Amino acid sequence: GAGVSQSPSNKVTEKGKDVELRCDPISGHTALYWYRQSLGQGLEFLIYFQGNSAPDKSGLPSDRFSAERTGGSVSTLTIQRTQQEDSAVYLCASRWTSGSPGELFFGEGSRLTVL
Amino acid sequence: SQQGEEDPQALSIQEGENATMNCSYKTSINNLQWYRQNSGRGLVHLILIRSNEREKHSGRLRVTLDTSKKSSSLLITASRAADTASYFCATRGTSGSRLTFGEGTQLTVNP
Repeated sequence: GAGVSQSPSNKVTEKGKDVELRCDPISGHTALYWYRQSLGQGLEFLIYFQGNSAPDKSGLPSDRFSAERTGGSVSTLTIQRTQQEDSAVYLCASRWTSGSPGELFFGEGSRLTVL
Repeated sequence: SQQGEEDPQALSIQEGENATMNCSYKTSINNLQWYRQNSGRGLVHLILIRSNEREKHSGRLRVTLDTSKKSSSLLITASRAADTASYFCATRGTSGSRLTFGEGTQLTVNP
C-alpha cells in the first residue's frame, strides 16, 4: 500500500470490553512497531516485530495487552478487559531493515476511548 | 523516564523567525531522529543524524548532535504558519531496534 493503514480510526468502548486494533504496514517493511500516545504526551513504546524473530514485548503495560503479526505483514493489537486508563491514540509504524538507517513510517493512529 | 526529553515544552514565535528546539538523552545512541506531528495525525519523519555526525541540513531544517553532552537541537529557519505542529526527537540505542521518543515540543508559528 501507499502508507501504513490503521483501523478503526476511532473506537469507543465500555470498560471491561475487549478491543482489537489493526495495522497494515507498508508492503516490504519487515519491522513493525506499536506505540501509545496519551493526550498531549509523547509516544510510549509497546511492542516491536522484526521478521520472524521473537517480538520485543517489553513495553506492554500489562498482560491485558497482546499483539500478533501474521505472515510478517498485518498486525493486531488486542486489549482485553479495557480500563479507562487505556484511552489513548495507538500508533503503528513500520520500516525497512536491511540497508535502512531506521526511519519509521507512521499510520494515522487508532483513537481509543474507554467509557 | 523518557530517553529523549525536549526543551522547551512549548514555543510560540512569529512567522519569519527561527525556532530552536532541544533534545537531551541518557544512553549511547546509534542515531537520533526528529519527527513532526500535526494535531490529530501520525508522525512524519523529518531528519536523521547518525552518532558520528555533528550537523545535518535539510531544506530549512538544521540538526546538530553533541554526543559528549548527549544532546541535539533542531533549528527551523524562516518559520511559516504551516510549521505549527509538535516536534519529537527519538533515539535508537546501540543495541536493539527500539526507537524511544521524547515528550515533544509544541511549536506555534503566528502569521
